[in-house]
Amino acid sequence: DIQMTQSPSSVSASVGDRVIISCRASQAIYSWVAWYQQKPGKAPQLLIFAASSLQTGVPSRFSGSGSGTDFTLTITSLQPEDFATYYCQQTINFPLTFGGGTKVAIK
Amino acid sequence: QLQLQESGPGLMKPSETLSLTCTASGGSINTSRYYWGWLRQPPGKGLEWIGSINYSGNTYYNPSLKSRVTMAVDMSKNQFSLELNSVTAADTALYHCARLPQGHTNRDVFDIWGQGTMVTVSS
Repeated sequence: DIQMTQSPSSVSASVGDRVIISCRASQAIYSWVAWYQQKPGKAPQLLIFAASSLQTGVPSRFSGSGSGTDFTLTITSLQPEDFATYYCQQTINFPLTFGGGTKVAIK
Repeated sequence: QLQLQESGPGLMKPSETLSLTCTASGGSINTSRYYWGWLRQPPGKGLEWIGSINYSGNTYYNPSLKSRVTMAVDMSKNQFSLELNSVTAADTALYHCARLPQGHTNRDVFDIWGQGTMVTVSS
């Protein structure tokens, strides 16, 4: 199985800050990474696929980058509605696997 | 816009078989454009993929659960289902159904999710 390791596990930030979340795969996965946002009591929402493609309807302050084993999700100018938990997922191999999550909390 | 809705038993006893159904509305599951999947999330923990199925019944299961999992589709009801046998307390989780596109760049992401149904296994 491909292990996905996210860092940090949590981050405190203020509205307007830039937040960067990292995800490392246990083996090379080209650009086959997706990112999700999950708010408490809600289902996850797809933000990014293929490492850097923005899902329809997702604000442009979200962006993804990386290839091979190292990937990042960047939120520029954090908004109040962005406080949530973020997960990466690899889509290259079965079993599909997720990172452990990064909680973005209010400072 | 497609919507997915899970239904299930809520509370179960150890060793029983969990049966969940996901009903699609606003679109058909009878298409080669998507697979249909199940995931779960134990309270306060991360996401685990359980398995995926397509309209013709082709399945992929997580090896960690494969011996206990069966998925099926029912086109007449626009539903797909999950059975997990011999449940234990470790199977207590919020269970989600979801859609997986099969396009070139978005293959096997989860782009539409059900709200989830909580399953608690307790004696």
